[in-house]
Amino acid sequence: EAGVVQSPRYKIIEKKQPVAFWCNPISGHNTLYWYLQNLGQGPELLIRYENEEAVDDSQLPKDRFSAERLKGVDSTLKIQPAELGDSAVYLCASSSFGDTGELFFGEGSRLTVL
Amino acid sequence: GENVEQHPSTLSVQEGDSAVIKCTYSDSASNYFPWYKQELGKRPQLIIDIRSNVGEKKDQRIAVTLNKTAKHFSLHITETQPEDSAVYFCAASFRGNTPLVFGKGTRLSVIA
Repeated sequence: EAGVVQSPRYKIIEKKQPVAFWCNPISGHNTLYWYLQNLGQGPELLIRYENEEAVDDSQLPKDRFSAERLKGVDSTLKIQPAELGDSAVYLCASSSFGDTGELFFGEGSRLTVL
Repeated sequence: GENVEQHPSTLSVQEGDSAVIKCTYSDSASNYFPWYKQELGKRPQLIIDIRSNVGEKKDQRIAVTLNKTAKHFSLHITETQPEDSAVYFCAASFRGNTPLVFGKGTRLSVIA
């Protein structure tokens, strides 16, 4: 079974440019998470979806970040415009609601803003 | 909301020695406490977890203990090996209702 798939793995952009990250969760997992991981830090939640509904987005900077999960499967996280401080790894994870609670992470998308 | 503190931030041990990483949490409602291992450039992966109805859980060289009264839990690795070198994250949540809140991580180095 395929794990959580993210793309791109690496992205380098100039500040003020837009960027988008894509995530395909494990088949059948109805809960999807986007976490932000700064260098040397633990993952911090940006947004959590139950199917296509965002149930926890209080940590998402809504002035420049947006996310969607159409049809309750794949998800896209967008930043527009990007700032220098957005340089980090963006991790997508999925889990099955009512299951053990284990999160399955993707390899992450490493963003560098110049 | 939940807050998880993790110590130490770095830990070096000789191969074969034991390593202990400690975490405290703030929300007494939390009932699920996993530990994730992240190797350099890789995804975090679950290595062991414990629920609040259990005080200790062991899986080969890895064990986790939980003290609900004091709101802290610890990861114990015995007979450490070089491949144990990684960053370890503790986390806490109210399973099924709240997302995992992670500690800042402990970088473990096992010196051969």
